[in-house]
Amino acid sequence: DTGVSQNPRHKITKRGQNVTFRCDPISEHNRLYWYRQTLGQGPEFLTYFQNEAQLEKSRLLSDRFSAERPKGSFSTLEIQRTEQGDSAMYLCASSKGLRTLSSGNTIYFGEGSWLTVV
Amino acid sequence: GQNIDQPTEMTATEGAIVQINCTYQTSGFNGLFWYQQHAGEAPTFLSYNVLDGLEEKGRFSSFLSRSKGYSYLLLKELQMKDSASYLCASPPRAGSYQLTFGKGTKLSVIP
Repeated sequence: DTGVSQNPRHKITKRGQNVTFRCDPISEHNRLYWYRQTLGQGPEFLTYFQNEAQLEKSRLLSDRFSAERPKGSFSTLEIQRTEQGDSAMYLCASSKGLRTLSSGNTIYFGEGSWLTVV
Repeated sequence: GQNIDQPTEMTATEGAIVQINCTYQTSGFNGLFWYQQHAGEAPTFLSYNVLDGLEEKGRFSSFLSRSKGYSYLLLKELQMKDSASYLCASPPRAGSYQLTFGKGTKLSVIP
């Protein structure tokens, strides 16, 4: 049973560079989420997909951030012109979809991709 | 908007009981979740409440009062491995398919 898979797990980049993270959700999960988490804080919602459609984006998701899920399976999160404030853990998660969230339809998280912008 | 509040840190002794509180405000309630997150790891689902009352699951129980906008997570017979952050979360509005999280409560279990 494979969980949510993310790579790379760690990325150090220079300010101004672009970075891309990949997420492979649990198979047959229709919904895929991206969250950002900094030290001492809870995960902050960025965006989510229902299959290939991006249905909701947070105000936190600036124009430098773009997420795609072209075939409704894996997803990528790209950050352009990185800034030091982008340093965080980027969490991907997935859920079965089709119904509202509940104990039988909860969100499962990946291990996260740590980004350090220097 | 949504507001979820929980204490930042708590310390408890191995073998004891600890209660982690959470207050929330949502525009349309659609369930309250608790997640556990060990340092450097992914959050993992612990419990879900949508009706008032106590849900018991082994050493962990979760309580909800919708009229008070209040929940707590109760951990019994604390073990060292319970040292982690505990995250309270709820959909921001009825019918929403994402979760908004509190900042988390870092629990330290000491011998």
